[in-house]
Amino acid sequence: QQQVKQSPQSLIVQKGGISIINCAYENTAFDYFPWYQQFPGKGPALLIAIRPDVSEKKEGRFTISFNKSAKQFSLHIMDSQPGDSATYFCAARYPYNTDKLIFGTGTRLQVFP
Amino acid sequence: NAGVTQTPKFRVLKTGQSMTLLCAQDMNHEYMYWYRQDPGMGLRLIHYSVGEGTTAKGEVPDGYNVSRLKKQNFLLGLESAAPSQTSVYFCATLPHSLNTEAFFGQGTRLTVV
Repeated sequence: QQQVKQSPQSLIVQKGGISIINCAYENTAFDYFPWYQQFPGKGPALLIAIRPDVSEKKEGRFTISFNKSAKQFSLHIMDSQPGDSATYFCAARYPYNTDKLIFGTGTRLQVFP
Repeated sequence: NAGVTQTPKFRVLKTGQSMTLLCAQDMNHEYMYWYRQDPGMGLRLIHYSVGEGTTAKGEVPDGYNVSRLKKQNFLLGLESAAPSQTSVYFCATLPHSLNTEAFFGQGTRLTVV
């Protein structure tokens, strides 16, 4: 019940295209849904995050869409660039004095010129 | 201001050897976490701590022990390393507040032969 399912495992997009990564969860106790970006040899870094009382959040070319009833959320990268090539993790936070982040399995995005 | 520093960055162990990974943070964060990252499995929580002197088990705690004697340090120990513990280990920290960014170290690549 604390799992977060992420798809696809890998994604190849042409420069200028839209990259879409999807995540689904079961536990309605999750109260915060961040996306992390990881470049090779580096630790993950926060990209964008959303709370469940909001259906969409946009920051530049990155947008999170959140469907509370379906327990799904997705990351959209508009006008994808080669510099966006990285591994993306969705996550969900389990509160109650632990603030545990439960991560999805990751999506390796490759953007070709 | 270093943020989250992991020591060592790389290590090769023989089966049965022991070692300790150190995570040090200078941000005065309350919560600290140890994750392991394996291909296709994302980031899985090993152990975590919600404050100095406290520790708790995560999703995959077997074969690991932790200690948090000082607020700024979180140690991950492997008493008798096994090849299944070959992984990249990440430490992360969170301040003691809601909906905030987790900060990750650069990772430790451990190989057990």
